[in-house]
Amino acid sequence: QVQLVQSGAEVKKPGASVKVSCKASGYTFTSYGISWVRQAPGQGLEWMGWISAYNGNTNYAQKLQGRVTMTTDTSTSTAYMELRSLRSDDTAVYYCARDLKDSFDYWGQGTLVTVSS
Amino acid sequence: QSALTQPASVSGSPGQSITISCTGTSSDVGSYNLVSWYQQHPGKAPKLMIYEGSKRPSGVSNRFSGSKSGNTASLTISGLQAEDEADYYCCSYAGSSTFVFGGGTQLTVL
Repeated sequence: QVQLVQSGAEVKKPGASVKVSCKASGYTFTSYGISWVRQAPGQGLEWMGWISAYNGNTNYAQKLQGRVTMTTDTSTSTAYMELRSLRSDDTAVYYCARDLKDSFDYWGQGTLVTVSS
Repeated sequence: QSALTQPASVSGSPGQSITISCTGTSSDVGSYNLVSWYQQHPGKAPKLMIYEGSKRPSGVSNRFSGSKSGNTASLTISGLQAEDEADYYCCSYAGSSTFVFGGGTQLTVL
């Protein structure tokens, strides 16, 4: 069965970087893209960007351009999302999701990133 | 890109039907028939309920249906059940490989 398993919770100081992993199994990793979606405490979902697991092409939400980098390692079927220059309003649960180009059908369990001094 | 507009909350009694609206613009909802809907229970990851405006993934109850008119998409849940109580989010393709979510709607089953 399709599974996306994410890395554990992180606590970071303002200005630091965080890298979250998302290991896929149960399907051909390179046949689908991965989108990253975040959810601040008590808030709604925010699409962050997408990466093609086939060729590494990316597309990021405009508000995160310059601070976010998404990568994949096809040898381990793992996607990564790195966010730099962290601020308190980056505190959120970060999700990876399998991207069908028009929707997201399988989601990881979420990774809580807390930014606090 | 502004978030799609959803009502903050809706409620209904068991067995009733409810509809959640999702209003966007001619640049997202109005331009593409690519609206999806997600159900999220507290502390859980979102679950895909509707894709391409009105299609249901395998395993999703046919009590859930989607539609669109102009810049507004809608999710209808018929025969409300207690387990339907959750937050619901719409999401639309917005061109250039980007997506935008709605602010979310909290459904209460009375």
